[in-house]
Amino acid sequence: GESVGLHLPTLSVQEGDNSIINCAYSNSASDYFIWYKQESGKGPQFIIDIRSNMDKRQGQRVTVLLNKTVKHLSLQIAATQPGDSAVYFCAEGGNQFYFGTGTSLTVIP
Amino acid sequence: DVKVTQSSRYLVKRTGEKVFLECVQDMDHENMFWYRQDPGLGLRLIYFSYDVKMKEKGDIPEGYSVSREKKERFSLILESASTNQTSMYLCASSDPAGAGHNEQFFGPGTRLTVL
Repeated sequence: GESVGLHLPTLSVQEGDNSIINCAYSNSASDYFIWYKQESGKGPQFIIDIRSNMDKRQGQRVTVLLNKTVKHLSLQIAATQPGDSAVYFCAEGGNQFYFGTGTSLTVIP
Repeated sequence: DVKVTQSSRYLVKRTGEKVFLECVQDMDHENMFWYRQDPGLGLRLIYFSYDVKMKEKGDIPEGYSVSREKKERFSLILESASTNQTSMYLCASSDPAGAGHNEQFFGPGTRLTVL
């Protein structure tokens, strides 16, 4: 299987600050990359995705950056809120996806 | 509003029992997936299906089987449950022809404990 990893297993940020969650992937042929958010007791929820032919994509308060040269993906959350506390996964692939182990984000009020 | 439901949130079974985990989606999606989620290992794909009556092995199919008799329903079967199958099981579906065709919609998960 593919190897998808996250640099840090936990991240704590102050409410209102920006958060950056990083992810390294191994398959340079992957077409799509997706970020998921998983709150306690719930299934993963889609946040944002990016195609391999893009290097940046923005959503509401979130931005995903893709650096294919170093096979690195990041999720930036602007003005982090308590409701953003969750585990965040990156996933790479095409028809089939491979998921990272997740980064646990804690927002300190 | 899209919805993937799983038959149980929590399940406790004994070693050797046959276990059925049911998943239903109401989005008319072609693709359905079963994952297990374990601490430090992330989500690992057990089986997936691209169509009714069709199934493909994922990365860790051993000890599991699946059934897709209807488009909306994808069942995961543990023929003889073992303690190492204690895990969180997540079902997902996706529409390969949709605008967000790579997005997988997940159910809430079933936490299975095998004693």
